[in-house]
Amino acid sequence: NAGVTQTPKFRVLKTGQSMTLLCAQDMNHEYMYWYRQDPGMGLRLIHYSVGEGTTAKGEVPDGYNVSRLKKQNFLLGLESAAPSQTSVYFCASSRLRGRFTEAFFGQGTRLTVV
Amino acid sequence: DAKTTQPPSMDCAEGRAANLPCNHSTISGNEYVYWYRQIHSQGPQYIIHGLKNNETNEMASLIITEDRKSSTLILPHATLRDTAVYYCIDRSQGNLIFGKGTKLSVKP
Repeated sequence: NAGVTQTPKFRVLKTGQSMTLLCAQDMNHEYMYWYRQDPGMGLRLIHYSVGEGTTAKGEVPDGYNVSRLKKQNFLLGLESAAPSQTSVYFCASSRLRGRFTEAFFGQGTRLTVV
Repeated sequence: DAKTTQPPSMDCAEGRAANLPCNHSTISGNEYVYWYRQIHSQGPQYIIHGLKNNETNEMASLIITEDRKSSTLILPHATLRDTAVYYCIDRSQGNLIFGKGTKLSVKP
């Protein structure tokens, strides 16, 4: 029973490099989210998706792109990494039941941009 | 921005009840209040949610004021493993918006 799995768990990038973070969920959830968390801060929403083939911007979308080609996967891309993108990235998924949302989170990806 | 307000930190003695307050004066009338917690640097974990009435589950109790402007999460018998950051969350456009939360330290 994997839940939400994030790949990779750790990564160090050089400024200007690109990378893709993968999020996979096995709960058949419609909704998926990408958050970032900086030291001493709460989570901030980057992008989200309400279904396969759809994506939308969250609070802090600049510098990131996302894709949801398959219902179970949500990819977060950094085209040209910057030191300001050093953070812990969390993916989550949820199934909206009426007005109630219970989100399940992955264990995070710790990204350092040098 | 987060629409909830919580104290940045609280201490609680092991075995005692931990009462974590939250102000959510701008919450809309049909939105739930959600509580999540984050242990160390793990992904946040759902605890409980409520609309108007008090709620209880195996993890915690949630007391919501009649005017819905504030709520209190109660951990009835806190253990060392309850040390975490607790988030009181409103939804914006259907998404969970996290503030900085309350860092609860349970001490022996």
